[in-house]
Amino acid sequence: DIQMTQSPSSLSASVGDRVTITCRASQSISVFLNWYQQRPGKAPKLLIYTASTLESGVPSRFSGVGSGTDFTLTISSLQPEDFGTYYCQQTSSKVFTFGPGTKVDLK
Amino acid sequence: EMQLVESGGGLVQPGRSLRLSCEGSGFSFDDYALHWVRQAPGKGLEWISSISWKSDRVEYADSVKGRFTISRDNAKNSLYLQMDSLSAEDTAFYYCAKDPLSYFGSGTYFDLWGQGTLVTVSS
Repeated sequence: DIQMTQSPSSLSASVGDRVTITCRASQSISVFLNWYQQRPGKAPKLLIYTASTLESGVPSRFSGVGSGTDFTLTISSLQPEDFGTYYCQQTSSKVFTFGPGTKVDLK
Repeated sequence: EMQLVESGGGLVQPGRSLRLSCEGSGFSFDDYALHWVRQAPGKGLEWISSISWKSDRVEYADSVKGRFTISRDNAKNSLYLQMDSLSAEDTAFYYCAKDPLSYFGSGTYFDLWGQGTLVTVSS
């Protein structure tokens, strides 16, 4: 199975900060990488699919880049509603694996 | 409004069975593949199973293969997860999620999620 790692595992940031989260796959997954946001006590929500396509309704401060094994999610200016945990997910293989998550909290 | 609502969770003893349901509304349920994802309390997300729109393709994670069975009834707008031989390691919130296409595969993603139902396996 393809293994996913994320860094950092957690970060503290302030409103207005630029935040970058990295996701790495154990083998090439082309651009088959999705990002989800999960607020505390809530279900995950799709943010970005196929590495860089913003899901409808998601603010443009979220962006994604990458291909192959290395991917990045960037929040250009962190807002109060952005605090939570972010997961990457690969759908290149028939086993869809998630990364361990990156928790973003208030500094 | 598009919505998925899970039900059927609860407390179950090790070795017993439980059946989860997920009802969809606000969209053409039978047009889309569906998935189950679980999350142990305080832990990360784990994909466990997927089913195509007409049930002709299913996949399972190794952790549940042979114990869990995914199915759907499009006439009832419902997705199911039959869970047998449960163990403490199966304790988790179980989410159903919708695929944007009829068949899942490379490049798929989960564009709508339910609120989850908690399964606790304990004696």
